[in-house]
Amino acid sequence: GENVEQHPSTLSVQEGDSAVIKCTYSDSASNYFPWYKQELGKRPQLIIDIRSNVGEKKDQRIAVTLNKTAKHFSLHITETQPEDSAVYFCAASRVQGAQKLVFGQGTRLTINP
Amino acid sequence: DSGVTQTPKHLITATGQRVTLRCSPRSGDLSVYWYQQSLDQGLQFLIQYYNGEERAKGNILERFSAQQFPDLHSELNLSSLELGDSALYFCASSLGTGELFFGEGSRLTVL
Repeated sequence: GENVEQHPSTLSVQEGDSAVIKCTYSDSASNYFPWYKQELGKRPQLIIDIRSNVGEKKDQRIAVTLNKTAKHFSLHITETQPEDSAVYFCAASRVQGAQKLVFGQGTRLTINP
Repeated sequence: DSGVTQTPKHLITATGQRVTLRCSPRSGDLSVYWYQQSLDQGLQFLIQYYNGEERAKGNILERFSAQQFPDLHSELNLSSLELGDSALYFCASSLGTGELFFGEGSRLTVL
């Protein structure tokens, strides 16, 4: 079945530095790739998403890149701030049909002041 | 506030018991999803409903069942509970365009 692998499982960076989280997916029919942020004890919230017709998308300090050939996508956070500390999940799905959103295992990001 | 309502927020019960978790999706959303998140674990997909019909199934145990009613709210039934069923259960809803909106979750503790 569908599978999404996410790395690393934990990431610690200095405030102001960049953070990169990488994911690979198995279902070649996947065409929707969101990233969710989950703060401790809270619900996951969408921070950015990308569809298969686009290779890169940016939103202020956050960017996502997609390589459909390699079935690989990444989240880039620049100029990290303490409030970026959270668990980040990548996911993949087909937008149509059985729209099962499969999540990666999550990355716990810690921003050190 | 995502617009997705889950009840109860917290539930403590004993092994062998049965519980029902309830979810009301955002107004207009036809799809409802259930996810299980154990301590420090990822989001495990359980099941998806679309307009009352089961659309996709994940690693949902036979002891668990769900349904979506005509008013689009959904219930997740967990029976013969075991200690390992203790987790945060999230409901999410979607218009079908991709983005999922999550509720606050129902935290189940089985003692």
